[in-house]
Amino acid sequence: GAVVSQHPSWVICKSGTSVKIECRSLDFQATTMFWYRQFPKQSLMLMATSNEGSKATYEQGVEKDKFLINHASLTLSTLTVTSAHPEDSSFYICSAVLREQYFGPGTRLTVT
Amino acid sequence: TQLLEQSPQFLSIQEGENLTVYCNSSSVFSSLQWYRQEPGEGPVLLVTVVTGGEVKKLKRLTFQFGDARKDSSLHITAAQPGDTGLYLCAGANAGKSTFGDGTTLTVKP
Repeated sequence: GAVVSQHPSWVICKSGTSVKIECRSLDFQATTMFWYRQFPKQSLMLMATSNEGSKATYEQGVEKDKFLINHASLTLSTLTVTSAHPEDSSFYICSAVLREQYFGPGTRLTVT
Repeated sequence: TQLLEQSPQFLSIQEGENLTVYCNSSSVFSSLQWYRQEPGEGPVLLVTVVTGGEVKKLKRLTFQFGDARKDSSLHITAAQPGDTGLYLCAGANAGKSTFGDGTTLTVKP
């Protein structure tokens, strides 16, 4: 139980385009989901807290207009990277909360 | 800002050796988690510790939460190549987690 999926697992896009990443809790409902980004050989950095039915809460330094989060249902949160640039290339990981955090497998974004 | 410092940052040992990873903070946490992450995958939860002074064992892994709930340690006995990975501690408060910098462990056969 407590499985979280992400789609896509990897994506390559051109600079200036937008990319949507999905995070789904497969066998439980999650009022709260978190989005993290991770650079190579570094730890996870919390980007935002996604709350079902309300606006996401962004961490300091994270541009909310660039990283759009939509938590439309209790099993799905989406992160859209708008007008992506090469510096947005990273490993994006979501987690869903069911007493504890359960992490998705991550999405590798490469912006060329 | 709550910060978690992990040490060492990198550790390379031979199969069969013991090791300890430390996670320290000046902040008090309601709980602390240890995760292991493989390259290209999400973190997998190993353990959650909640009570100050708590010790949990998971086969060859022993986790300890400091009395003041500010620090923790992970001890691995007789390390195996399969233990290779990135070990992350994370302190939780008010439903949010702060991750340490991680310890990259390499166990050579």
